[in-house]
Amino acid sequence: QSALNQPRSVSGSLGQSVTISCTGTSRDVGAYNYVSWYRQDPGKAPKLIIFDVSKRPSGVPDRFSGSKSGNTASLTISGLQAEDEADYHCSTYAGAYTFLFGSGTNLIVL
Amino acid sequence: DVQLVESGGGLVQPGGSLRLSCAASGFTFSTYWMSWVRQAPGKGLEWVANIKQDGTDQNYVDSVRGRFTISRDGARKSVYLQMKSLRVEDTAVYYCARGLSDYGDIFHDSWGQGTLVTVSS
Repeated sequence: QSALNQPRSVSGSLGQSVTISCTGTSRDVGAYNYVSWYRQDPGKAPKLIIFDVSKRPSGVPDRFSGSKSGNTASLTISGLQAEDEADYHCSTYAGAYTFLFGSGTNLIVL
Repeated sequence: DVQLVESGGGLVQPGGSLRLSCAASGFTFSTYWMSWVRQAPGKGLEWVANIKQDGTDQNYVDSVRGRFTISRDGARKSVYLQMKSLRVEDTAVYYCARGLSDYGDIFHDSWGQGTLVTVSS
């Protein structure tokens, strides 16, 4: 039950694209197509932005996209906007009705 | 609108106990598993426990198994987390979150505002 590995921080300029990685193992990320991503603003609760690896809830812009290859999932944000600056957390179903979360990534928009 | 409202956090000494509550509204409570997820200061999220719709199945992260107990009351549309033998490392904001559902949802789509638990002497 180790946390999924995410970079501590990533940065990108306005209008550019950034990708945040989320690395697990063949027993969690690699085993299930149930990766989800959450955005969290300081002092606020997390908000779901991607589920089932690449699906977006209603209201989430299509600038946000998700993918997975092997044991690593990725969140890509294109056309970076200042308001995208936040913490981003990945999560995966890990079998037997349990879940794992990542260590969290702080996105800095330059 | 879905609402999850946590309560019960506070300051407790190491070895002490605390009971968190989460009141749910705005959705059919009986169709969702419910989870507790915590976040230590400056750290990432950590899934702590969840409970099945009818309360017959509970799951825990290894670090709290045997010390924490999750339960739910369908009539009150509430989920609880009884925490015993608390450790300094249990200090965190504890979030209640809606999880697995009868509709095939395998993610946490709604979260409460969190309640802070501080374990310190």
